[in-house]
Amino acid sequence: QSALTQPRSVSGSPGQSVTISCTGTRSDVGGYNYVSWYQQHPGKAPKLMIYDVTKRPSGVPDRFSGSKSGNTASLTISGLQAEDEADYYCCSYAGTYTVVFGGGTKLTVL
Amino acid sequence: QLQLQESGPGLVKPSETLSLTCSVSGGSITSSSYFWGWIRQPPGKGLEWIASLSYSGSTYYNPSLKSRVTISVDTFKNQFSLKLDSVTAADTAVYCCARLGSGRFFDFWGQGTLVTVSS
Repeated sequence: QSALTQPRSVSGSPGQSVTISCTGTRSDVGGYNYVSWYQQHPGKAPKLMIYDVTKRPSGVPDRFSGSKSGNTASLTISGLQAEDEADYYCCSYAGTYTVVFGGGTKLTVL
Repeated sequence: QLQLQESGPGLVKPSETLSLTCSVSGGSITSSSYFWGWIRQPPGKGLEWIASLSYSGSTYYNPSLKSRVTISVDTFKNQFSLKLDSVTAADTAVYCCARLGSGRFFDFWGQGTLVTVSS
């Protein structure tokens, strides 16, 4: 069970859109439609932003959207805002109620 | 509102056992459809799933930690616990407990507790 691959950092200006990728294998991302995304501000607990690839929990702005193609999932944040600056982690179901996280991506709002 | 709170020693000696408890309030730990789990984050690094526990008591472990980890539940106290044996400095991390929806996504998190492994 290897960690999913995410870019170490991405950046964008306010109002722009950014996309964070999350690459796994057929045993995790590619094998199930069960990818989730988490936002983590410094010193805080992670917050669920997307689950089951595309679903948003109540209270998460619709600026956040998820998708998947093959072994790669993506999180897109449109209309970037200053408060979106944070670390983002993907997580995939990997069978038999095990999960695996990505290494995390630092989003900088310029 | 569901709340999770981790508790346990903040300092553990190398080769000893790390023991943490997660107290759940605002909801029952035996509620169906939900699992309960532990995640850790070494300082400055990413998240690592450690173990999960189903509402029926079944346990699931990260293969890389399985030989050293035990997750258990106390339904009377509405708590679940983590034990990690034979710790080393590499086990120094913030340990978080969380609820899993359908056993596959973490929808409620505790604030986390820093555990340092040092003599």
